[in-house]
This record gives sequence, C-alpha cells and structure tokens, in this order.
Amino acid sequence: DGGITQSPKYLFRKEGQNVTLSCEQNLNHDAMYWYRQDPGQGLRLIYYSQIVNDFQKGDIAEGYSVSREKKESFPLTVTSAQKNPTAFYLCASSIGQYGTDTQYFGPGTRLTVL
Amino acid sequence: DQQVKQNSPSLSVQEGRISILNCDYTNSMFDYFLWYKKYPAEGPTFLISISSIKDKNEDGRFTVFLNKSAKHLSLHIVPSQPGDSAVYFCAASEGSQGNLIFGKGTKLSVKP
Repeated sequence: DGGITQSPKYLFRKEGQNVTLSCEQNLNHDAMYWYRQDPGQGLRLIYYSQIVNDFQKGDIAEGYSVSREKKESFPLTVTSAQKNPTAFYLCASSIGQYGTDTQYFGPGTRLTVL
Repeated sequence: DQQVKQNSPSLSVQEGRISILNCDYTNSMFDYFLWYKKYPAEGPTFLISISSIKDKNEDGRFTVFLNKSAKHLSLHIVPSQPGDSAVYFCAASEGSQGNLIFGKGTKLSVKP
C-alpha cells in the first residue's frame, strides 16, 4: 500500500559525523519536503524539492544537504556543520507544488548526536 | 517573527464536550489553511483544510472556521473523544507556494 517511509526510526551518531536520513515514497508525488521538529516547536522547513534533480533551501538549511535523483527518494544528510542536529526529522510529500496540495508525512526519524 | 501562532500550548477537555483549538496568522497572503494531528514519535496526519474563499469546512466531528478579517481560524471537535488526545498543528500556505508555515502546536488532552 502507498505511503512514505523513513528509516531508521531512531538514529545515534557521534558528534562530527555526517549522517544520512532516508525518505522514500510510492505515492507518485512530485514534491517532497524535509522538516525538523524540536520540543515545543512547530515544524521548520529544511529543504524541499518540487521535481527530480531540483531542490531549494527552506528556512533552516544550514548544515544540511539533500539530493533528488529519483522521484521516489529524497535523502537528507545532516553534516557536521549543523550546530544542533539532535531533533525529530520528518519527511513529507505532496502531489504537486501548490499550496492546496496536501502534504502527507512519514513516521519520522529521531536523530540523537552524542 | 512567527507568521502562524497557536497561543495555547495545551488544552484539557472532558470526553463528549467540544474542543476548540485556535490559530492566528499575520500574513494576509495566506490563502490555504490546514490542521494536522500528531501523536508522539509519529509523523503528523492531515485532518482538515480550508481555502480562503470559504469560512467553514466540516468533516465528521471536525469543523474548521476561518475569519479572514481577524486572521483567525479555529478547529472544533465535537464530541471530543480520548483518542483525540494529541498535538494539533495549524499550518498555512500562500498561493502557488507549496511550502507550509506551521504553528507551534496545541496539546489536546481529552479526559474520560
């Protein structure tokens, strides 16, 4: 059945290491998004992609990188340049790029940097 | 500066009564609004949305009201059930821009 998968659910890394979070969707959606949630905070947009091989920075892109080589996949790399990487990361997708296209979310990955 | 504000971090309601969650926005260009429900350690799930050309949208127990002049929207849940206990996020978008701006969320607790 269709949906968005994120793996792993929990991820631990040592400080200074890069780590890549996986996001896959089989909904045939064009647009994909990465958000970060911190305790007591709303979701903040890191990167988004409206089409394959194209992506744009969101509000808090510093210290992150993405790629969109396939329609189904939008991996997020948390680099050592990200000052406070411990957070809950959420991937979403929508059928198109317009504001009225509802975004559907994956289950999230909790990253803890030790 | 927060463009979407949910000023109540928490709300407690008795089962069977009405839950009213509020959201204010500052950007008059926002024309599409959504509510998401989120359980701990899970992704948000879409609940209901409303376009700025409407002032009310209803789906079962959930109704969203939009007051454009006040830049305010609210989510009504009637009757409230214990399974409704979650964090509710209000989100808004502008025109052809797909990016959503989220509020900080309101934690709803429905007591049996």
